[in-house]
Amino acid sequence: EAQVTQNPRYLITVTGKKLTVTCSQNMNHEYMSWYRQDPGLGLRQIYYSMNVEVTDKGDVPEGYKVSRKEKRNFPLILESPSPNQTSLYFCASSLSKGFLLEKLFFGSGTQLSVL
Amino acid sequence: GENVEQHPSTLSVQEGDSAVIKCTYSDSASNYFPWYKQELGKRPQLIIDIRSNVGEKKDQRIAVTLNKTAKHFSLHITETQPEDSAVYFCAPYGGYQKVTFGIGTKLQVIP
Repeated sequence: EAQVTQNPRYLITVTGKKLTVTCSQNMNHEYMSWYRQDPGLGLRQIYYSMNVEVTDKGDVPEGYKVSRKEKRNFPLILESPSPNQTSLYFCASSLSKGFLLEKLFFGSGTQLSVL
Repeated sequence: GENVEQHPSTLSVQEGDSAVIKCTYSDSASNYFPWYKQELGKRPQLIIDIRSNVGEKKDQRIAVTLNKTAKHFSLHITETQPEDSAVYFCAPYGGYQKVTFGIGTKLQVIP
């Protein structure tokens, strides 16, 4: 089954404790991206990647890191989480043909709470 | 970057009525215009999309219309049903691959 797998589904942590949220897709998509969703603010893009070893900042990259060492995986890293990073996070992937993007396939989301 | 405005932010309709949500964007290079539906507690999923060389696209009760000159596109849902209750997002894409979503429209269909 074609899907984007995101783990964990729920995560509670404390300020400053490094964490990683994993994202993997089995559709051979070139494009992968991370979003955070907050009430009243919609979905905001954190980082995106056009292909292996190619990443770029979205609208809210501060406090986050990503890496794209393999085509299928795109982990989101919070080196020193803070309470303002408490949010619902989604990973998404898309087929891209040059500069044309197709529809986004979303993971099931990670609800992160930073105490 | 792209400035995206979505209206209204909330919409209540009686079952069977029509609903229209509008999305306005700023980047004339945008070439892909999707609408995503997010049910409570679930992930966003694409419901309909349109490319810049097409003015309108229909899929059963939903349709999307595009006005590239005025830089807006709209989602139309006819004969609304309770299962249409959800949050709807637009996300016009440009060639630079950064994706900006509209703030979302919470649609409530009243039985």
